[in-house]
Amino acid sequence: QKEVEQDPGPLSVPEGAIVSLNCTYSNSAFQYFMWYRQYSRKGPELLMYTYSSGNKEDGRFTAQVDKSSKYISLFIRDSQPSDSATYLCAMSAYGNKLVFGAGTILRVKS
Amino acid sequence: GAVVSQHPSWVICKSGTSVKIECRSLDFQATTMFWYRQFPKQSLMLMATSNEGSKATYEQGVEKDKFLINHASLTLSTLTVTSAHPEDSSFYICSASPGQGAYQPQHFGDGTRLSIL
Repeated sequence: QKEVEQDPGPLSVPEGAIVSLNCTYSNSAFQYFMWYRQYSRKGPELLMYTYSSGNKEDGRFTAQVDKSSKYISLFIRDSQPSDSATYLCAMSAYGNKLVFGAGTILRVKS
Repeated sequence: GAVVSQHPSWVICKSGTSVKIECRSLDFQATTMFWYRQFPKQSLMLMATSNEGSKATYEQGVEKDKFLINHASLTLSTLTVTSAHPEDSSFYICSASPGQGAYQPQHFGDGTRLSIL
């Protein structure tokens, strides 16, 4: 079993839809949770960073962490074609290396 | 803020040559930088952790003599792929974390696409 599980997709949605992306994990030591967006042939771009459990909102993006269930989510409201990319969840215990999910390919159709 | 620059973005070279990739933190100092490798349609694989002024820490299975890492300053780390062969062709990405003390997430460069003929 992988430490971090993420459905690779692809996930196809119409423009304007609410997108829900999620990851599950097995290591209870993880405290720091990140979502990165990666366009083709580019490096990952940090979207959201959350410490421990709770919600965090930034514009159209909302990140949720439920440590009791070992489950994290990223919601994208009013999705746009420019949101089409691969979304990587990543997590870390303090001072330790990042552990990535496999990445979910998102396609937003206009 | 927290910009990481990587150079070159794309390099093609003949088998047997060595290739150097630079990673710079442009607006912050980074005592630690990370080097990843990414295969098509796969997630990032950590190769090594680069520490300023000391030896890099390599992940299991990564050849130290093949992938030389130098972190000479707080804003620059280099990865040299020595005697490169076609199987070394890949997408190499570096990252760095700004700040010290409190945890800061890693910020990534735009990657270097390496093609060995």
